Amino acid sequence: EAGVVQSPRYKIIEKKQPVAFWCNPISGHNTLYWYLQNLGQGPELLIRYENEEAVDDSQLPKDRFSAERLKGVDSTLKIQPAELGDSAVYLCASSLGNAGITDTQYFGPGTRLTVL
Amino acid sequence: AQKITQTQPGMFVQEKEAVTLDCTYDTSDPSYGLFWYKQPSSGEMIFLIYQGSYDQQNATEGRYSLNFQKARKSANLVISASQLGDSAMYFCAMREGNTGNQFYFGTGTSLTVIP
Repeated sequence: EAGVVQSPRYKIIEKKQPVAFWCNPISGHNTLYWYLQNLGQGPELLIRYENEEAVDDSQLPKDRFSAERLKGVDSTLKIQPAELGDSAVYLCASSLGNAGITDTQYFGPGTRLTVL
Repeated sequence: AQKITQTQPGMFVQEKEAVTLDCTYDTSDPSYGLFWYKQPSSGEMIFLIYQGSYDQQNATEGRYSLNFQKARKSANLVISASQLGDSAMYFCAMREGNTGNQFYFGTGTSLTVIP
């Protein structure tokens, strides 16, 4: 069974440029998560999707960040324009979504973003 | 208050020895799940083990076991017979059942296995 796929693995851009990250969850997983992880810290949730609906985007900086999951499968996270402080690892995770407290998240390899 | 607390920023263990990584949690929800993840330097978060709040027995998965003390709200990860490949960051996490499946991570513990 294929795991969560993310691309690109690494991205270097200059500030004020746009950037996009792509995630394909595990087949059959209804819930998709985007996290931001700064060096030496735990992941912080940016947005959670149940199928194509964003059910928790309270931590997403909506002035520059946007996300979509149009068909309830793969998802794209965009930053426009990027700032120096956006340098971090962006993790995507997925879970079945109907398993209650046992609903385990499985993570992709992450995208390491460097903003110069 | 922090939902998940990991008080050990860094730990060292001799190869082949056992090590315990601490995790305490804070919730008033009677229904919750506790998870441990491993994050090697490559960056991917790897799911290790799960413990449910209603589980009567401590969870075990190979060399990993979870020392679940519900009254103390602790869920410590025990790694037996440490291997060099166990060197990584370890994160404790919790999902609350009655708050819209909110998921919380701790700040992590860096484990180094010494040959």
